[in-house]
Amino acid sequence: DGGITQSPKYLFRKEGQNVTLSCEQNLNHDAMYWYRQDPGQGLRLIYYSQIVNDFQKGDIAEGYSVSREKKESFPLTVTSAQKNPTAFYLCASSIADPTNEKLFFGSGTQLSVL
Amino acid sequence: DAKTTQPPSMDCAEGRAANLPCNHSTISGNEYVYWYRQIHSQGPQYIIHGLKNNETNEMASLIITEDRKSSTLILPHATLRDTAVYYCIVMAGNNRKLIWGLGTSLAVNP
Repeated sequence: DGGITQSPKYLFRKEGQNVTLSCEQNLNHDAMYWYRQDPGQGLRLIYYSQIVNDFQKGDIAEGYSVSREKKESFPLTVTSAQKNPTAFYLCASSIADPTNEKLFFGSGTQLSVL
Repeated sequence: DAKTTQPPSMDCAEGRAANLPCNHSTISGNEYVYWYRQIHSQGPQYIIHGLKNNETNEMASLIITEDRKSSTLILPHATLRDTAVYYCIVMAGNNRKLIWGLGTSLAVNP
């Protein structure tokens, strides 16, 4: 079945450590996105990529980094500069059709600080 | 992109229709209305979208008012599995500018 796979489901970060969240899609979508969700808040965009080897900052990019070396993959690194990383992280993808840009989401990664 | 207003919570009896309202009074002519839902600790799931006309698919129906300032998502026969947070979003060909509000928390009761 086609879809988006995020791993791991749960991740723990130690003080000063960088951690990388994986996101893979086999939907042949050009666009991919990373969102952060905190309790009681809506989804906030961290980074997005419209095409391979190109990505743009979203609303809350500080303390995060991404890469897009392959169409299928869009990993997110939470760096030690992100002082409040505990949150639910969601990866999504979409086609580039302005009449039908529905987002397909992964099942999410819950990141916690030890 | 325009913002939306939704009630924070709603209840519905199992087997009855669930009607979830959404106000988007500042919607532009080229903006679509999208509905997603999120079951606890999962990623949001696309439900339906529309521009002007009413739409129906296997999951739900979307009714958009003639002036396009509001819409209603209808789940015709709600089940316990429909308990989720429902998000109404308006956008025009630019996912990176989506504004996700808090949605409506729908509780389907037996």
